Amino acid sequence: EDQVTQSPEALRLQEGESSSLNCSYTVSGLRGLFWYRQDPGKGPEFLFTLYSAGEEKEKERLKATLTKKESFLHITAPKPEDSATYLCAVRGTGNQFYFGTGTSLTVIP
Amino acid sequence: EPEVTQTPSHQVTQMGQEVILRCVPISNHLYFYWYRQILGQKVEFLVSFYNNEISEKSEIFDDQFSVERPDGSNFTLKIRSTKLEDSAMYFCASSDRTGADGYTFGSGTRLTVV
Repeated sequence: EDQVTQSPEALRLQEGESSSLNCSYTVSGLRGLFWYRQDPGKGPEFLFTLYSAGEEKEKERLKATLTKKESFLHITAPKPEDSATYLCAVRGTGNQFYFGTGTSLTVIP
Repeated sequence: EPEVTQTPSHQVTQMGQEVILRCVPISNHLYFYWYRQILGQKVEFLVSFYNNEISEKSEIFDDQFSVERPDGSNFTLKIRSTKLEDSAMYFCASSDRTGADGYTFGSGTRLTVV
Protein backbone atom coordinates (compact mmCIF):
# COMPACT_ATOMS: atom_id res chain seq x y z
CA GLU A 1 0.00 0.00 0.00
CA ASP A 2 1.27 3.47 -0.87
CA GLN A 3 2.27 5.38 2.26
CA VAL A 4 3.80 8.69 3.23
CA THR A 5 5.28 9.48 6.65
CA GLN A 6 6.45 12.93 7.65
CA SER A 7 8.64 13.95 10.55
CA PRO A 8 8.77 15.75 12.81
CA GLU A 9 5.08 16.45 13.42
CA ALA A 10 5.92 19.91 14.71
CA LEU A 11 9.03 22.06 14.59
CA ARG A 12 9.78 25.37 16.30
CA LEU A 13 12.71 27.37 14.98
CA GLN A 14 14.22 30.70 15.83
CA GLU A 15 14.31 33.10 12.92
CA GLY A 16 17.48 32.32 10.96
CA GLU A 17 17.85 28.80 12.38
CA SER A 18 18.06 26.39 9.42
CA SER A 19 16.58 22.89 9.57
CA SER A 20 15.15 20.03 7.48
CA LEU A 21 11.80 18.29 7.26
CA ASN A 22 11.61 14.64 6.29
CA CYS A 23 9.18 12.72 4.10
CA SER A 24 9.63 8.97 3.75
CA TYR A 25 7.49 7.08 1.28
CA THR A 26 6.61 3.72 -0.16
CA VAL A 27 4.84 3.79 -3.48
CA SER A 28 4.47 1.55 -6.51
CA GLY A 29 5.81 3.30 -9.57
CA LEU A 30 6.58 6.79 -8.30
CA ARG A 31 5.22 9.41 -10.69
CA GLY A 32 6.20 12.39 -8.63
CA LEU A 33 6.79 13.53 -5.08
CA PHE A 34 5.17 16.86 -4.30
CA TRP A 35 5.72 19.39 -1.54
CA TYR A 36 2.92 21.72 -0.55
CA ARG A 37 2.55 24.51 1.98
CA GLN A 38 -0.76 24.82 3.84
CA ASP A 39 -1.77 27.83 5.89
CA PRO A 40 -4.58 27.48 8.47
CA GLY A 41 -8.01 27.29 6.82
CA LYS A 42 -6.54 27.29 3.32
CA GLY A 43 -5.93 24.76 0.60
CA PRO A 44 -2.48 23.30 -0.06
CA GLU A 45 -0.23 25.58 -2.11
CA PHE A 46 2.13 23.88 -4.56
CA LEU A 47 5.87 24.25 -3.92
CA PHE A 48 7.85 21.55 -5.76
CA THR A 49 7.67 18.38 -7.81
CA LEU A 50 10.51 15.85 -7.76
CA TYR A 51 10.59 12.84 -10.04
CA SER A 52 13.85 10.95 -9.66
CA ALA A 53 16.46 10.21 -7.03
CA GLY A 54 19.15 12.88 -6.90
CA GLU A 55 16.85 15.61 -8.13
CA GLU A 56 16.84 18.95 -6.29
CA LYS A 57 14.58 22.00 -6.56
CA GLU A 58 14.97 25.40 -4.91
CA LYS A 59 12.69 28.31 -4.25
CA GLU A 60 13.79 31.23 -2.09
CA ARG A 61 14.71 29.76 1.33
CA LEU A 62 13.40 26.28 0.49
CA LYS A 63 15.24 23.41 -1.14
CA ALA A 64 13.75 19.98 -1.79
CA THR A 65 15.78 16.83 -2.42
CA LEU A 66 14.80 13.28 -3.29
CA THR A 67 16.28 9.83 -2.71
CA LYS A 68 14.75 6.45 -3.50
CA LYS A 69 13.01 6.29 -0.15
CA GLU A 70 12.69 9.80 1.19
CA SER A 71 12.62 13.49 0.48
CA PHE A 72 13.90 16.39 2.51
CA LEU A 73 12.70 19.95 2.59
CA HIS A 74 15.56 22.14 3.75
CA ILE A 75 14.70 25.56 5.13
CA THR A 76 17.60 28.00 5.21
CA ALA A 77 17.47 31.03 7.50
CA PRO A 78 13.70 30.87 7.94
CA LYS A 79 11.54 33.90 8.58
CA PRO A 80 8.28 34.10 10.55
CA GLU A 81 6.32 34.17 7.29
CA ASP A 82 7.58 30.64 6.58
CA SER A 83 5.40 29.41 9.44
CA ALA A 84 2.88 26.94 7.99
CA THR A 85 2.21 23.23 7.68
CA TYR A 86 4.35 21.58 5.01
CA LEU A 87 2.77 18.61 3.29
CA CYS A 88 4.42 15.90 1.28
CA ALA A 89 2.45 13.86 -1.26
CA VAL A 90 3.29 11.10 -3.71
CA ARG A 91 1.60 10.03 -6.89
CA GLY A 92 1.85 6.41 -7.91
CA THR A 93 0.40 4.62 -10.88
CA GLY A 94 -2.94 6.40 -10.65
CA ASN A 95 -3.66 10.11 -10.56
CA GLN A 96 -4.45 10.43 -6.89
CA PHE A 97 -2.05 11.88 -4.35
CA TYR A 98 -1.23 10.20 -1.06
CA PHE A 99 -0.53 12.87 1.51
CA GLY A 100 1.44 12.71 4.72
CA THR A 101 0.11 14.26 7.92
CA GLY A 102 2.43 17.24 7.52
CA THR A 103 4.99 19.08 9.60
CA SER A 104 3.75 22.16 11.41
CA LEU A 105 6.54 24.74 11.30
CA THR A 106 6.62 27.74 13.62
CA VAL A 107 9.35 30.34 13.15
CA ILE A 108 9.80 32.60 16.15
CA PRO A 109 11.06 36.16 15.58
CA GLU B 1 -2.35 33.93 -11.25
CA PRO B 2 -5.15 31.48 -12.13
CA GLU B 3 -6.94 29.97 -9.17
CA VAL B 4 -9.51 27.37 -8.26
CA THR B 5 -12.60 28.92 -6.70
CA GLN B 6 -14.82 27.09 -4.22
CA THR B 7 -18.20 28.06 -2.83
CA PRO B 8 -19.46 28.29 -0.21
CA SER B 9 -16.49 28.75 2.12
CA HIS B 10 -18.50 27.34 5.01
CA GLN B 11 -21.68 25.26 5.01
CA VAL B 12 -23.64 24.04 7.99
CA THR B 13 -26.21 21.34 7.35
CA GLN B 14 -28.41 19.03 9.35
CA MET B 15 -27.68 15.32 9.39
CA GLY B 16 -29.56 13.58 6.61
CA GLN B 17 -29.70 16.61 4.34
CA GLU B 18 -28.13 16.81 0.90
CA VAL B 19 -25.38 19.31 0.16
CA ILE B 20 -23.74 20.44 -3.05
CA LEU B 21 -20.24 21.85 -2.96
CA ARG B 22 -19.22 23.92 -5.94
CA CYS B 23 -15.91 24.52 -7.65
CA VAL B 24 -14.68 26.46 -10.64
CA PRO B 25 -11.42 24.86 -11.80
CA ILE B 26 -8.73 26.64 -13.79
CA SER B 27 -10.10 27.13 -17.26
CA ASN B 28 -7.53 25.22 -19.33
CA HIS B 29 -7.16 22.32 -16.91
CA LEU B 30 -8.46 18.91 -17.89
CA TYR B 31 -8.38 16.90 -14.68
CA PHE B 32 -10.51 17.68 -11.64
CA TYR B 33 -10.38 16.28 -8.15
CA TRP B 34 -12.07 16.34 -4.78
CA TYR B 35 -10.12 15.78 -1.57
CA ARG B 36 -11.20 16.11 2.01
CA GLN B 37 -9.42 16.83 5.28
CA ILE B 38 -11.00 15.94 8.57
CA LEU B 39 -9.75 18.26 11.29
CA GLY B 40 -6.27 17.26 12.39
CA GLN B 41 -6.00 14.44 9.85
CA LYS B 42 -4.45 13.85 6.44
CA VAL B 43 -5.70 15.25 3.19
CA GLU B 44 -7.52 12.29 1.62
CA PHE B 45 -8.36 11.61 -2.00
CA LEU B 46 -12.02 11.21 -2.91
CA VAL B 47 -12.34 11.22 -6.68
CA SER B 48 -10.76 12.30 -9.95
CA PHE B 49 -12.72 13.31 -13.04
CA TYR B 50 -11.59 13.52 -16.64
CA ASN B 51 -13.40 13.76 -19.95
CA ASN B 52 -16.78 13.95 -18.22
CA GLU B 53 -16.41 10.79 -16.24
CA ILE B 54 -14.90 9.50 -13.02
CA SER B 55 -11.40 8.19 -13.68
CA GLU B 56 -10.55 7.10 -10.16
CA LYS B 57 -12.23 7.00 -6.77
CA SER B 58 -11.29 6.00 -3.26
CA GLU B 59 -13.10 3.76 -0.81
CA ILE B 60 -14.45 6.88 0.87
CA PHE B 61 -16.32 7.83 -2.29
CA ASP B 62 -19.31 5.54 -1.87
CA ASP B 63 -22.88 5.79 -3.20
CA GLN B 64 -23.49 8.74 -0.92
CA PHE B 65 -21.23 10.87 -3.11
CA SER B 66 -21.51 11.99 -6.71
CA VAL B 67 -19.72 14.46 -8.94
CA GLU B 68 -20.84 16.39 -11.94
CA ARG B 69 -19.59 18.92 -14.43
CA PRO B 70 -22.92 20.51 -15.31
CA ASP B 71 -21.46 23.08 -17.69
CA GLY B 72 -18.09 24.13 -19.08
CA SER B 73 -16.90 25.80 -15.92
CA ASN B 74 -18.37 24.26 -12.76
CA PHE B 75 -17.46 21.03 -11.02
CA THR B 76 -19.68 19.89 -8.16
CA LEU B 77 -19.59 17.36 -5.34
CA LYS B 78 -22.95 16.20 -4.02
CA ILE B 79 -23.28 14.45 -0.71
CA ARG B 80 -26.64 12.78 -0.20
CA SER B 81 -27.96 12.21 3.32
CA THR B 82 -25.03 13.74 5.18
CA LYS B 83 -23.65 12.10 8.31
CA LEU B 84 -21.83 13.66 11.26
CA GLU B 85 -18.59 12.06 10.08
CA ASP B 86 -18.82 13.93 6.78
CA SER B 87 -17.80 17.10 8.63
CA ALA B 88 -14.48 18.14 7.07
CA MET B 89 -12.78 20.60 4.76
CA TYR B 90 -13.47 19.65 1.17
CA PHE B 91 -10.91 20.75 -1.37
CA CYS B 92 -11.37 20.90 -5.10
CA ALA B 93 -8.26 20.74 -7.28
CA SER B 94 -7.46 20.78 -10.96
CA SER B 95 -4.44 19.99 -13.09
CA ASP B 96 -3.30 20.14 -16.66
CA ARG B 97 -2.60 17.04 -18.71
CA THR B 98 0.82 16.39 -17.22
CA GLY B 99 0.22 17.35 -13.61
CA ALA B 100 3.88 18.31 -13.49
CA ASP B 101 3.12 21.43 -11.48
CA GLY B 102 1.12 19.45 -8.99
CA TYR B 103 -2.51 20.23 -8.59
CA THR B 104 -3.90 23.67 -7.90
CA PHE B 105 -6.13 23.48 -4.88
CA GLY B 106 -8.98 25.77 -3.95
CA SER B 107 -9.31 27.30 -0.50
CA GLY B 108 -11.85 24.69 0.49
CA THR B 109 -15.39 24.43 1.82
CA ARG B 110 -15.72 23.73 5.51
CA LEU B 111 -18.71 21.41 5.90
CA THR B 112 -20.22 21.08 9.35
CA VAL B 113 -22.92 18.47 9.82
CA VAL B 114 -25.00 18.94 12.97
